[in-house]
Amino acid sequence: QQQVKQSPQSLIVQKGGISIINCAYENTAFDYFPWYQQFPGKGPALLIAIRPDVSEKKEGRFTISFNKSAKQFSLHIMDSQPGDSATYFCAASMPGYSSASKIIFGSGTRLSIRP
Amino acid sequence: NAGVTQTPKFQVLKTGQSMTLQCAQDMNHEYMSWYRQDPGMGLRLIHYSVGAGITDQGEVPNGYNVSRSTTEDFPLRLLSAAPSQTSVYFCASSPRGGGGTDTQYFGPGTRLTVL
Repeated sequence: QQQVKQSPQSLIVQKGGISIINCAYENTAFDYFPWYQQFPGKGPALLIAIRPDVSEKKEGRFTISFNKSAKQFSLHIMDSQPGDSATYFCAASMPGYSSASKIIFGSGTRLSIRP
Repeated sequence: NAGVTQTPKFQVLKTGQSMTLQCAQDMNHEYMSWYRQDPGMGLRLIHYSVGAGITDQGEVPNGYNVSRSTTEDFPLRLLSAAPSQTSVYFCASSPRGGGGTDTQYFGPGTRLTVL
């Protein structure tokens, strides 16, 4: 119930195309869903996040779509650029700040954008 | 602010050797944690701390020790290195407890190889 399942493991998209990464969770106690972006040789960094009371959040070319009933959420990258090539992690977090084990990461997706 | 810093960037050990991975943050964050990143496994929590003098185990604690004597520093000790500990290690900090809407700030990572 603590798992966050992420797919695909790797993804190749042509420049200008749409990149889509999917995640699913089981535990309905999760109430915050961030995405982290990691460039080679760097640590992950927060990209965008969503609460389950909205179905979509958009920041520039990055959009999170959230389906509460299906317990699924996805990251869409519009007009994908070579600079978007990175590893993307979805995550799910529970409310409260008293325990560290309340953020669970997906297994990651290595995205490559071909020029 | 330097954010979260980690040393060394790379390390090669022989089986049975011990070493300490250093982590420091200058953001006055209460919460710090250690993750390991392995291909297809995502980010797995090793140990965490919710404040100076307080530490606890995460998902994969065996073979690792931590201590938190100051707010700024959170070293990770490998007691007797094994090839299974070959991985990339990330230290992270966040302002509060790591859960909820807290943003995790990651260091640049330490790539460890155990021969």
